Amino acid sequence: EVQLVQSGAEVKKPGESLKISCKGSGYSFASYWIGWVRQMPGKGLEWMGIIYPGDSDTRYSPSLQGQVTISVDKSISTAYLQWSSLKASDSAMYYCARRGNGVWTLDHWGQGALLTVSS
Amino acid sequence: QSALTQPASVSGSPGQSITLSCTGTSSDIGGSIYVSWYQQHPGEVPQLMIYDVSNRPSGVSNRFSGAKSGNTASLTISGLQAEDEADYYCSSYTSSGTLVFGGGTKLTVL
Repeated sequence: EVQLVQSGAEVKKPGESLKISCKGSGYSFASYWIGWVRQMPGKGLEWMGIIYPGDSDTRYSPSLQGQVTISVDKSISTAYLQWSSLKASDSAMYYCARRGNGVWTLDHWGQGALLTVSS
Repeated sequence: QSALTQPASVSGSPGQSITLSCTGTSSDIGGSIYVSWYQQHPGEVPQLMIYDVSNRPSGVSNRFSGAKSGNTASLTISGLQAEDEADYYCSSYTSSGTLVFGGGTKLTVL
């Protein structure tokens, strides 16, 4: 069974750094792209970027490039989303999701990780 | 890239058929076969309902169907049921090699 298990909820202060994780299991992790999706409170889904664990090829949403870093450690089947200096506006639910093989769709999703940034 | 355009809300009665629209451009929907639809119930994780414009993943009811014409994709739900009440999001692969979502449509079953 394909599973994506994300790290837990976080409460951080503005200016702090953070790295959240997404661990895949039940499939060949290195062979499937992993994407990140943001959902701000009461708002819709927003695609942030995607990474291919096999070679770390990464693509970012033009609107978010430079604001976050997506990385992966395929040796432990884990993808990451990282901030160097959080802002209150980063408060949101963050989902990781697997891109289906040969298709540009997100076929399996993690449970989500809620980030709250507040002073 | 701009978000795809979806109506904010749609409503229908049980048993009816309803169609949700998703409008983009020639750089996304119009030029891509990779159009998907996701269902999200409040407080839950999004679930894939349609991929590649009109394909259903295993386990998704055949009451859900997808189509595309030009720069507009559509999701039709037939035999509307109370459990279909949810938010629905479309997405498309873009010519820039990225994905873009629509703003979402809240479906209310009256």
